[in-house]
Amino acid sequence: AQKVTQAQTEISVVEKEDVTLDCVYETRDTTYYLFWYKQPPSGELVFLIRRNSFDEQNEISGRYSWNFQKSTSSFNFTITASQVVDSAVYFCALSTAGGFKTIFGAGTRLFVKA
Amino acid sequence: DVKVTQSSRYLVKRTGEKVFLECVQDMDHENMFWYRQDPGLGLRLIYFSYDVKMKEKGDIPEGYSVSREKKERFSLILESASTNQTSMYLCASSPSFRGPNTGELFFGEGSRLTVL
Repeated sequence: AQKVTQAQTEISVVEKEDVTLDCVYETRDTTYYLFWYKQPPSGELVFLIRRNSFDEQNEISGRYSWNFQKSTSSFNFTITASQVVDSAVYFCALSTAGGFKTIFGAGTRLFVKA
Repeated sequence: DVKVTQSSRYLVKRTGEKVFLECVQDMDHENMFWYRQDPGLGLRLIYFSYDVKMKEKGDIPEGYSVSREKKERFSLILESASTNQTSMYLCASSPSFRGPNTGELFFGEGSRLTVL
């Protein structure tokens, strides 16, 4: 069975703090994709990043960075110097080859206070 | 600007009513999806479609049906709404999985349905 676990339900930080959102996944497939999506208060989920199972390179995009570790089945997301606009619900997701069924975690709600 | 548009942001219906949720995408995507979002449960797949008139059950299809008569439009139907179907419904689309595909989903803004 495939599963995505985001153990942190809510996180509250003060602006400019760094914050890491955890994601642990389970799958027996050797080929799979991992994603992070952001859901701002407007409701529309926005794609942030995709990683395939053969590429364990970490990635940095501005203040965002992602750490993919197959050994621990984790795909964590770090926001450096958080801003109020980062306040949102963040979802980690997993899809296997074929991709029709993307499994989402429960989401982590991030509050960034000014 | 690419877009997935859901017809209603907020709906209030009564138990037993038939409910239609409409979704239109302008990206010429082959695949379309309906998800349900509930607190603590994340997003759960109700149905998806990989082509016109084709549909497949997701993880929680009970109480729902779908229709895809045109490539750009995917409708979710609640034949007889019940209170446990009160939820946020999210439509998404993605390009074909046959060719190079990222698996990235493009989402609408959601339709919040309340069944009284």
